[in-house]
Amino acid sequence: EAGVTQSPTHLIKTRGQQATLRCSPISGHTSVYWYQQALGLGLQFLLWYDEGEERNRGNFPPRFSGRQFPNYSSELNVNALELEDSALYLCASSLRRTGKDGEQYFGPGTRLTVT
Amino acid sequence: KQEVTQIPAALSVPEGENLVLNCSFTDSAIYNLQWFRQDPGKGLTSLLLIQSSQREQTSGRLNASLDKSSGRSTLYIAASQPGDSATYLCAVKVGTGNQFYFGTGTSLTVIP
Repeated sequence: EAGVTQSPTHLIKTRGQQATLRCSPISGHTSVYWYQQALGLGLQFLLWYDEGEERNRGNFPPRFSGRQFPNYSSELNVNALELEDSALYLCASSLRRTGKDGEQYFGPGTRLTVT
Repeated sequence: KQEVTQIPAALSVPEGENLVLNCSFTDSAIYNLQWFRQDPGKGLTSLLLIQSSQREQTSGRLNASLDKSSGRSTLYIAASQPGDSATYLCAVKVGTGNQFYFGTGTSLTVIP
């Protein structure tokens, strides 16, 4: 069974540009989560999508947005890139929307570098 | 807001030793707690998931315990090996918003 996949592996952008990151969850998983792991900081929750809708977002500005497609894959968009957006962006998926047994499975991440 | 702390931040042990990693959280109203390992520059690998109603989970040389009332979890690694070298993260899931809160991790080095 294929795990969570993310693309691209690396992404280099200049300040002010937009970045688009993609994630495909494990087959059968309906929930997708996005996290940011900046250097020296822990994993910060960004967004949670389930059944095509945004269910929750972390403490990030509106220029961080995304969507979930009918096949449950997801896209994270970061507009007006700033230098501090440079980080490893991790996507995770889980089987259930809510409930106690929502074990998360992570992808390998996309390394975003803003110059 | 839930805060998750992991102690120690770094740990270096000789191969073969048994070791304990600690995770504490401030709000005991959690759904579950999950332990992960992260190799440098890589994604996270799930190690163990403990539901809020459980006290411990075991997988191979790993054993994780959960004490909700005291807001603590431990990850016990038996007979450590150089391949265990990685950063270990714990995360707690809270009900509202299905959100996971992560600790800052313990960087483990097992010396051959």
